[in-house]
Amino acid sequence: KNEVEQSPQNLTAQEGEFITINCSYSVGISALHWLQQHPGGGIVSLFMLSSGKKKHGRLIATINIQEKHSSLHITASHPRDSAVYICAVRRGSQGNLIFGKGTKLSVKP
Amino acid sequence: DGGITQSPKYLFRKEGQNVTLSCEQNLNHDAMYWYRQDPGQGLRLIYYSQIVNDFQKGDIAEGYSVSREKKESFPLTVTSAQKNPTAFYLCASSIDPPHGTEAFFGQGTRLTVV
Repeated sequence: KNEVEQSPQNLTAQEGEFITINCSYSVGISALHWLQQHPGGGIVSLFMLSSGKKKHGRLIATINIQEKHSSLHITASHPRDSAVYICAVRRGSQGNLIFGKGTKLSVKP
Repeated sequence: DGGITQSPKYLFRKEGQNVTLSCEQNLNHDAMYWYRQDPGQGLRLIYYSQIVNDFQKGDIAEGYSVSREKKESFPLTVTSAQKNPTAFYLCASSIDPPHGTEAFFGQGTRLTVV
């Protein structure tokens, strides 16, 4: 079993829909990252969370430490949101990240 | 602007040749990392370095080598011993705890071995 599991693997939505991507992990962590990877391959960090909730524009990320679960929400989705969204956790005493396999999101106009 | 620069973006090499991927950062980060990405898999850690002149093997270090002679630079060499070198390679850096845990990524290098 992977230490970081994401669902769904693939997601197709219509423009304007509310989107949720889930991430569950099985190890103790000091932080959780949500990352965005566009078709060109480069990765952009969207959020880093250790508790609670963060919001940036149409993106919201939440984390429940007790349940070892995080969600990434996109409100009023747009075709430019189409990308792979990756959840990654940083284990408590180490600096390297453990990555989920990613969720491929496609938003249709 | 501060950031991480990987070069080149695309790289083609013949089987049996060593190849070195460049990663430079001007963020003054102590820690640097190399990850490999294959289709349908999460990124996997190859090597990481938390300080100049020191580095540790990650989960899939076989067939790779690194050096960290300068804080800004962490080049990765894919040797001929790496059985399946064709992949997408990502470099990252961070200020390790207790100073912070934000991670920054380069744009990646897609290596194709023919």
